[in-house]
Amino acid sequence: EPEVTQTPSHQVTQMGQEVILRCVPISNHLYFYWYRQILGQKVEFLVSFYNNEISEKSEIFDDQFSVERPDGSNFTLKIRSTKLEDSAMYFCASSEGRINEQFFGPGTRLTVL
Amino acid sequence: AQSVTQPDIHITVSEGASLELRCNYSYGATPYLFWYVQSPGQGLQLLLKYFSGDTLVQGIKGFEAEFKRSQSSFNLRKPSVHWSDAAEYFCAVGTYSGGGADGLTFGKGTHLIIQP
Repeated sequence: EPEVTQTPSHQVTQMGQEVILRCVPISNHLYFYWYRQILGQKVEFLVSFYNNEISEKSEIFDDQFSVERPDGSNFTLKIRSTKLEDSAMYFCASSEGRINEQFFGPGTRLTVL
Repeated sequence: AQSVTQPDIHITVSEGASLELRCNYSYGATPYLFWYVQSPGQGLQLLLKYFSGDTLVQGIKGFEAEFKRSQSSFNLRKPSVHWSDAAEYFCAVGTYSGGGADGLTFGKGTHLIIQP
């Protein structure tokens, strides 16, 4: 069964460093998403991406964040200068259509020291 | 803006007993609704979804949910829980908007504990 994959599973970084989180969505899906979950809290939407551009973003997704689909398979989230409060689990998701279920990857746990 | 409320932070149920997890949403039109389950250290797995039509939807692992427009609710039920159902359950709402890809809004989750 096709699935969304994410790498790395765990990333530790120093405050102020740049990180890139990687995702491979399901191959025939057209819509891509990033969410985050701070420990013990709810899952929060960050950004959606369609047709090679950002479709929607939340207020969390400020200028420190960017997304890219560098090739036909990968979808990345970059945090330019990490802060302590960026420590969270980051989930990638994809969907076949705009109004379809979103399939989530296993997540990348980001720890900022 | 839409919102989701899961009023129960923790629920403890005996194995074999029935289960109902509550979810209420706030949105001005008909949303589309989901229940996801998250086991410790794992990602989110879709249990079931409602887009339109029959208000009682069946999902995986024996779960079902009923959409009640008048109560703005989408409660999750299971007639007999198993120890493997212990997990965090999230209700989520999506909305129809102008042509973009819609992010889901999640509730805070309900932690389900199964007693032997």
